[in-house]
Amino acid sequence: DQQVKQNSPSLSVQEGRISILNCDYTNSMFDYFLWYKKYPAEGPTFLISISSIKDKNEDGRFTVFLNKSAKHLSLHIVPSQPGDSAVYFCAAPDQAGTALIFGKGTTLSVSS
Amino acid sequence: DVKVTQSSRYLVKRTGEKVFLECVQDMDHENMFWYRQDPGLGLRLIYFSYDVKMKEKGDIPEGYSVSREKKERFSLILESASTNQTSMYLCASQYRGNQPQHFGDGTRLSIL
Repeated sequence: DQQVKQNSPSLSVQEGRISILNCDYTNSMFDYFLWYKKYPAEGPTFLISISSIKDKNEDGRFTVFLNKSAKHLSLHIVPSQPGDSAVYFCAAPDQAGTALIFGKGTTLSVSS
Repeated sequence: DVKVTQSSRYLVKRTGEKVFLECVQDMDHENMFWYRQDPGLGLRLIYFSYDVKMKEKGDIPEGYSVSREKKERFSLILESASTNQTSMYLCASQYRGNQPQHFGDGTRLSIL
């Protein structure tokens, strides 16, 4: 059973607009979440994280929102740029706090 | 910056061969991981190690083994390669639990 779900395999956005990538989780014990970005033929790059004691974390154009009651988090990219085109993975540490459980990813395409 | 180096970017091997994938990190991280990435399946954990000579099975350890003789190096071994092990293999390191993992650029392995 998937504990971290990204239900949208792909998202297309125009340059300058907002991109919203969504992630749902099933385990209420998760207390830390991460977003990774991956270009083809490269490894994932850590983007931003959020602890469950917060409901928002911001880093430049990237903001992650956490809704614990809905077990939902989202990554907002504003404004979107063509260089943001990549696969985005949501992840949470397992109960031991060591290994990461990844969603299946959402492919973002930003057109100019 | 953390640097995680995987020994090969592309590798082609034959079924039945014993295959070694090497990974080295330069930040004295405690934890190291091997994942495989397949289209539509996201990143799946094969094995991880939290110390020298220590290892733990991940979600899909069958057909694989690992070795960690030195802190900076974590090797993935395909004991007898099969075509269903054709995949992108990603190594990661982590300072400690509940911290971001840092990934190498991956090895695209093809088993013919």
